[in-house]
Amino acid sequence: GIQVEQSPPDLILQEGANSTLRCNFSDSVNNLQWFHQNPWGQLINLFYIPSGTKQNGRLSATTVATERYSLLYISSSQTTDSGVYFCAGPQGGSEKLVFGKGTKLTVNP
Amino acid sequence: ETGVTQSPTHLIKTRGQQVTLRCSSQSGHNTVSWYQQALGQGPQFIFQYYREEENGRGNFPPRFSGLQFPNYSSELNVNALELDDSALYLCASSPKGETQYFGPGTRLLVL
Repeated sequence: GIQVEQSPPDLILQEGANSTLRCNFSDSVNNLQWFHQNPWGQLINLFYIPSGTKQNGRLSATTVATERYSLLYISSSQTTDSGVYFCAGPQGGSEKLVFGKGTKLTVNP
Repeated sequence: ETGVTQSPTHLIKTRGQQVTLRCSSQSGHNTVSWYQQALGQGPQFIFQYYREEENGRGNFPPRFSGLQFPNYSSELNVNALELDDSALYLCASSPKGETQYFGPGTRLLVL
């Protein structure tokens, strides 16, 4: 089945810094998603991005499907950006989402 | 529009007991998926229900079972609880084939 790898596993930033999170996947996916899990466990949808680039405020994501990776950019980070960022893609033609192990982001004031 | 809700928020059980977790899907969503998230890991797919029928299952034993009701809400039942069942259980709803939206989760501790 599909394998999803995320890097780095941990990232510590000062408020205002920029960061790039990476997601590599072992097989082609037709709907790669990025999520933010807050400290209370809630998974929040950030992007549904099978290919190309999308932007939402300080966050943007790029997926290069032919090279099987996606990047999440966070600019001018804030303490509220802290949490764990997951990418996930569907297993084969199913709707089963396969998640990476996440990147734990800590933004210090 | 009400999002995905789950109950209870926290639960403590002992080994061998049975537990039922509940999920109310977002309005207009007919598909519910359940995931188990162990500490420090990404969520793992348990199973999915579509129009009251199981529509895909992950690598979980039969003591994990589920139901979906006509209003598309769902239950996850776990029998003969083991210590390793301690985790955050997440429910997600979606229209068939579209983006899944997650509830806040139920934290289960098995002692």
